[in-house]
Amino acid sequence: DQQVKQNSPSLSVQEGRISILNCDYTNSMFDYFLWYKKYPAEGPTFLISISSIKDKNEDGRFTVFLNKSAKHLSLHIVPSQPGDSAVYFCAASRDSNYQLIWGAGTKLIIKP
Amino acid sequence: NAGVMQNPRHLVRRRGQEARLRCSPMKGHSHVYWYRQLPEEGLKFMVYLQKENIIDESGMPKERFSAEFPKEGPSILRIQQVVRGDSAAYFCASSPPRLAGDHNEQFFGPGTRLTVL
Repeated sequence: DQQVKQNSPSLSVQEGRISILNCDYTNSMFDYFLWYKKYPAEGPTFLISISSIKDKNEDGRFTVFLNKSAKHLSLHIVPSQPGDSAVYFCAASRDSNYQLIWGAGTKLIIKP
Repeated sequence: NAGVMQNPRHLVRRRGQEARLRCSPMKGHSHVYWYRQLPEEGLKFMVYLQKENIIDESGMPKERFSAEFPKEGPSILRIQQVVRGDSAAYFCASSPPRLAGDHNEQFFGPGTRLTVL
């Protein structure tokens, strides 16, 4: 049972445009969501997070939106830059639990 | 301040051999987590340890897999009698001591890619 789903295996975006990565979850007990970025042959790097008491969190070019009723979150990157090309993972946890439940990832390709 | 260190980065083993994966957490971090990533999949939680204690090993296979985090030295993930299905990337993460109700960010190492021939 996949509790965190990233339905788009890949996404291609023009440099300078907005990149929108989506994530859906099924467990309504999740109360904390994170986005990680991963380059090949490296470990995931934390990007941004959001608590379930919020619906938006912004950090520079990165904004995460949470829609609890739809059990959906998205990561917006604007403007997209070539260095943003990577695999992006959505992860979730519940009740301050340390266990992160991960989506399968979306490969973002930024075209020059 | 060095990040999470993992070694070896690549490990090749024949079926039936043992694999030992090491993880040194970031300075000041006393919590270590191990994850496994199969091709085209997300990371799967395996085990959570603090110094000299296994806190949660619910994600770890009951047989052949073990983990430790001794008082001194790195955390070790040990896989005995490896099989081809053990081939994966194994990531270690660390975090500082957690306060109740706190969500601590986990910092990841570069991973160890295990290939079982």
